[in-house]
Amino acid sequence: AQKITQTQPGMFVQEKEAVTLDCTYDTSDPSYGLFWYKQPSSGEMIFLIYQGSYDQQNATEGRYSLNFQKARKSANLVISASQLGDSAMYFCAMREGRVYNQGGKLIFGQGTELSVKP
Amino acid sequence: NAGVMQNPRHLVRRRGQEARLRCSPMKGHSHVYWYRQLPEEGLKFMVYLQKENIIDESGMPKERFSAEFPKEGPSILRIQQVVRGDSAAYFCASSPPRGPYEQYFGPGTRLTVT
Repeated sequence: AQKITQTQPGMFVQEKEAVTLDCTYDTSDPSYGLFWYKQPSSGEMIFLIYQGSYDQQNATEGRYSLNFQKARKSANLVISASQLGDSAMYFCAMREGRVYNQGGKLIFGQGTELSVKP
Repeated sequence: NAGVMQNPRHLVRRRGQEARLRCSPMKGHSHVYWYRQLPEEGLKFMVYLQKENIIDESGMPKERFSAEFPKEGPSILRIQQVVRGDSAAYFCASSPPRGPYEQYFGPGTRLTVT
């Protein structure tokens, strides 16, 4: 059964430093997609970055990058140069199947609460 | 380009009443998803719809819950005879009609059952 695990309930980082949020996943499907979302205290879910299982390179989006290690089934989010506005819950999610052929449900992890210190 | 719209943002219902949650997807998006978030938990998938079709309802409780996405108008998540355990944040997401079908979320509806 597909599963997403985020083992860090809470993390602290100093402003302007980089931080890595861990995510491991389990699936028997060779085709899948991995997504990261940010949920600030206001409650909305903001899409950050996507990585496909067949993508050769790690995804990057501005200050966000995804450290994808397929053999270890991990998809860690790296935030560079942390800002105070990065303080939020961060969720890792997975979708099985041919992600470029069809839509489908996301399975979410439990989330990691990131606090950025000034 | 407006994002995913959900209304109401907050909804209070007494036990036994009905709750109707509405979701308008982003312009050009034809896929709609509903998720529920209980306090201190991640989001749990409920249902995936396209216009006039339910594609996947594997996460929907068997009773009291229903969803639709009509040809015209918003998607509706309907909860009949609400109970206290239904209190949660309900999020709607939509995705474009092409891969990787990334999902964009609305602000959520916070349902409180008293």
